[in-house]
Formats: sequence, C-alpha cells, structure tokens
Amino acid sequence: SSELTQDPAVSVALGQTVRITCQGDSLRGYYASWYQQKPGQAPVLVIYSTINRPSGIPDRFSGSSSGNTASLTITGAQAEDEADYYCNSRDSSGNWFGGGTKLTVL
Amino acid sequence: QVQLQESGPGLVKPSETLSLTCTVSGGSISSYYWSWIRQPPGKGLEWIGYISSTGSTNYNPSLKSRVTISVDTSTNQFSLKLSSVTAADTAVYYCARERVGSLYNWFDPWGQGTLVTVSS
Repeated sequence: SSELTQDPAVSVALGQTVRITCQGDSLRGYYASWYQQKPGQAPVLVIYSTINRPSGIPDRFSGSSSGNTASLTITGAQAEDEADYYCNSRDSSGNWFGGGTKLTVL
Repeated sequence: QVQLQESGPGLVKPSETLSLTCTVSGGSISSYYWSWIRQPPGKGLEWIGYISSTGSTNYNPSLKSRVTISVDTSTNQFSLKLSSVTAADTAVYYCARERVGSLYNWFDPWGQGTLVTVSS
C-alpha cells in the first residue's frame, strides 16, 4: 500500500496563515486532492489536482507540491476553517487517504 | 447539481454481508467513476473501491477479497457488497463521484454517509 502521512494536529491563530502537509511516494508522480470535514458532516473537496480550487471554495485555500510532499495552505484562517483535513492521492495499485490533520483555530 | 444518497441496513450481523446502495440524482451516472469510502468512528477515511459507468472496477487491495461494487445505469444507482463482516467493518460509509485520470483523481460530490454497525 502507498502511505500518505499527515501531522495529526495543527493550530493557527485567527487571521494567520497555516500550512498542512501530506507526505508520500505516490505524490512524486500523482496529483493530490484535499478534503475538509467538519464534525458530523461528509468531507468536502477543497483542492483538486494539487493546486486547483473548486468553485465555491474561498480563495484563502491554496495547494502546492514539492517532491513527495503536497501542502494545503490557508491564508488568513477563519473560525469556520476549524475542521479535519485529509489528503488523497492515487497510484498504480489504488487510492490512498492521509490519516488526517485536525486544525484548531485559536 | 449532482447529489448522492446512501441507503441500506444500519445493522449487520458478524459474518454476514453488508449491502448498500447509492442513488445519484440531478445528473447521469454515465461517463464517471463512482466510489465507496468508509470512516470508522473517530478515525480516518479509507477508500473501498470504484466502478465506472461501463462496469470496470478497482478495489482497495486490503478489501478486494470481500468487496463487490456494481452499477445499474437504468436506475442511476451503484451498490456495495462487503462479505464476512466483523466489528472492524463498523463505519460511516460514503458514496462519492470520483474523477479519474492518468495522474489524478478526486472525489466530488459526496453523499451524506450512512452508519453501519456490525453487531450480533
């Protein structure tokens, strides 16, 4: 299996910038997607193909990648951004999610 | 816009087969891939597998021996069967549309999810 590794928890002060990272060998050759999940809700796509933002997602969310690491950056974090964030990528054998990062907005 | 809704029993006995259906509304099931993803209580997401509208499938290697995903284009539904379930299969099960390319994939939209508990 291909593993994607995320920090379990990250915190950010209101209005500041936070980067959530995802590491894995599959990210060297495949694009990443990112999902936001709030308690009791289904995940929502916030970034696809590593850098693209779906319509309706605020432009404070952005994505990037370097080597085996994909990143989700929130510039000017808001209280409503407090949630779990999951990365996802695929490879030749399947489809993999990171373990998730719990973002706390202080 | 496209909406997905899971349906099926919320309680399944150990060793039996879990069966869920996802109904797609607001758009055709054709020309896309359709996935099942699950999330045990308090834990992360696990991809189970996908099916294309033409019936080709790809399953998580760790579940492959127990999983069958099928599609019915006439009813705009796709289904999941997971056999020989144990308590470890207790989870919220989500269906989602998956966009798949040679180097990319993403899931959007998702259904609201349905909790399936495995217990006698």
